[in-house]
Amino acid sequence: SQQGEEDPQALSIQEGENATMNCSYKTSINNLQWYRQNSGRGLVHLILIRSNEREKHSGRLRVTLDTSKKSSSLLITASRAADTASYFCATDSGSARQLTFGSGTQLTVLP
Amino acid sequence: NAGVTQTPKFRVLKTGQSMTLLCAQDMNHEYMYWYRQDPGMGLRLIHYSVGEGTTAKGEVPDGYNVSRLKKQNFLLGLESAAPSQTSVYFCASSYPAAYEQYFGPGTRLTVT
Repeated sequence: SQQGEEDPQALSIQEGENATMNCSYKTSINNLQWYRQNSGRGLVHLILIRSNEREKHSGRLRVTLDTSKKSSSLLITASRAADTASYFCATDSGSARQLTFGSGTQLTVLP
Repeated sequence: NAGVTQTPKFRVLKTGQSMTLLCAQDMNHEYMYWYRQDPGMGLRLIHYSVGEGTTAKGEVPDGYNVSRLKKQNFLLGLESAAPSQTSVYFCASSYPAAYEQYFGPGTRLTVT
């Protein structure tokens, strides 16, 4: 079963606008990660936020985490056409840090 | 470094046929994972390995077997393919001390 759901399922914006994606999860977590998947490719790690952190930045990415609501959001500022991809949140568990993924948000950035 | 590579990239099987998917990584990672991705869904863990000679079941292990005879390789086998196994398969690897996983480009498998 999926750990959580992502919202929206699809998002279309103009270049230069900000894109916000949300992720909800079901169980307690140690960390939450965001990955990007370009069409037909494997996933690429973007950013990790620990359960004791509320916000984290990396370049044009801003991630927030609300453990009381079991939710996270990913903000991409000043989006570019190259940001067009699917974005997935993932939580880890177990001794081998197995990942459980959300269903993903398909982001389209129009030039 | 090639990172994580997967062989083959595409495959079409008939129901009941068998095949093996190969994953190789050159980053000296201890942990390796096999996932499947179905349309409109995130990845689901099939099997994983925490080191050479060890394997464990993930969320959706039925119909698959794995082997980790060498640290750099992780093989996923389908003994008797079924149409429900039509999917894109991704391999990933990581260090024990890290949380980030590195993914291969995927294998698109169709079972008719």
